[in-house]
Amino acid sequence: SAVISQKPSRDICQRGTSLTIQCQVDSQVTMMFWYRQQPGQSLTLIATANQGSEATYESGFVIDKFPISRPNLTFSTLTVSNMSPEDSSIYLCSVSDFYGYTFGSGTRLTVV
Amino acid sequence: AQSVTQLDSQVPVFEEAPVELRCNYSSSVSVYLFWYVQYPNQGLQLLLKYLSGSTLVESINGFEAEFNKSQTSFHLRKPSVHISDTAEYFCAVRLTGANNLFFGTGTRLTVIP
Repeated sequence: SAVISQKPSRDICQRGTSLTIQCQVDSQVTMMFWYRQQPGQSLTLIATANQGSEATYESGFVIDKFPISRPNLTFSTLTVSNMSPEDSSIYLCSVSDFYGYTFGSGTRLTVV
Repeated sequence: AQSVTQLDSQVPVFEEAPVELRCNYSSSVSVYLFWYVQYPNQGLQLLLKYLSGSTLVESINGFEAEFNKSQTSFHLRKPSVHISDTAEYFCAVRLTGANNLFFGTGTRLTVIP
C-alpha cells in the first residue's frame, strides 16, 4: 500500500496563528482526503483534494479556515488558519489505493 | 443518509478471552466495509475490509469480520485477545459511487492481564 509521510507530527500553536500540515505520498494518487479527529471522537472528513482543481469541502468546513493545496499527484497541504483552542485536534491525510485507504500518522495540534 | 454505529464505546476483556466489537450501518446503496485500528499515539492502520465475495474476511493477526447484509452489520471478532490488541477500533463504510470513508465513533478495546 501507499506510504504517507505527514509533517509535523505535533505542534503547539498560539491562538490567531496558522499552521500548515504537509503530506507526501510515495506514489501518484488521484484523491487525497483530509480528516479531523477531535479529542475522544471519531474522524470527520474535512475535504477531498484532487490535483489541478479546488478542494471539495464537507458541510461545516470552509476554504477560508482550512485552505488546501494539491500541486501534484504526490503532495498536499492543509492549513488551519486563525486558530482557536477549538481547533485542537489530530489532523490526518489519507489516500485511496488498491489496498483500501491509507492514513498518515497524523498531526496532533494543540492551540493555546 | 448513511450512518455507522458502534454501540460499545469501551470494551474491557481479559487476556485470552474472546471479543466481539459491534458495527452496524445504514445506507440506501451498497457499501464497502472496513475496520481500522489505532494504537496509542499512532495513526490508523487497516485491519481488514470487505469489498465483495466471501462475507467472512480475516486479518493477519487473528481478527475476523463477517458482512451480514440482512442485519446491516460487520462485527469484528477475535477468539483470543492479547495485551497488544489494546487499541481503538474504528468501523468505516464507503458508499458505492462515493470516494471517502464514513467512520463510526470507535470502540476502545482494553485487554486486562
